[in-house]
Amino acid sequence: SQQGEEDPQALSIQEGENATMNCSYKTSINNLQWYRQNSGRGLVHLILIRSNEREKHSGRLRVTLDTSKKSSSLLITASRAADTASYFCATDAGDKIIFGKGTRLHILP
Amino acid sequence: EPEVTQTPSHQVTQMGQEVILRCVPISNHLYFYWYRQILGQKVEFLVSFYNNEISEKSEIFDDQFSVERPDGSNFTLKIRSTKLEDSAMYFCASPQGESSDTQYFGPGTRLTVL
Repeated sequence: SQQGEEDPQALSIQEGENATMNCSYKTSINNLQWYRQNSGRGLVHLILIRSNEREKHSGRLRVTLDTSKKSSSLLITASRAADTASYFCATDAGDKIIFGKGTRLHILP
Repeated sequence: EPEVTQTPSHQVTQMGQEVILRCVPISNHLYFYWYRQILGQKVEFLVSFYNNEISEKSEIFDDQFSVERPDGSNFTLKIRSTKLEDSAMYFCASPQGESSDTQYFGPGTRLTVL
């Protein structure tokens, strides 16, 4: 299976701290994407990193990709209450992308 | 920014009934997808659609499911005879370019089968 698997499954941190979520996958990929989902809502694309990239930034987000270890991490710096959501990694597999089970992030005030 | 829209936002139906979920993808996109998310679980791929035909489908997408793009703008998912286990959020999505690019998701339709 090419499925990404995130860890931890759930993460609670204090507002202002950094949050790190990890994703592992099993087969070679063209790209890896991270999405956010607020409870009961649709998925919002955060960032796409291609297989030939090692690190990418977008605002307070930093994504790394290690193709040798088949893993990626998503770092959210200076977390805010609004960052409370589920975060999913997704890997491409032919004409579709496959989502992992997600990390539920809860930012404590 | 253009967006994907879906209707209805919530559909309640009796087991065995047919439902049609509708999506209006971003107009110049070429690939279209349906995903399903059972409450509290991961997002699951159902089917991809390109050039007016199914390009890939998952094992979930059995004979009770069908997709259509009837008029060049709407993209529909039909479930012929709903089961209790079809209760889920159904998301439509389309990538901006190639099939593996960033996917733009609709807000979803919550289907409740009673």
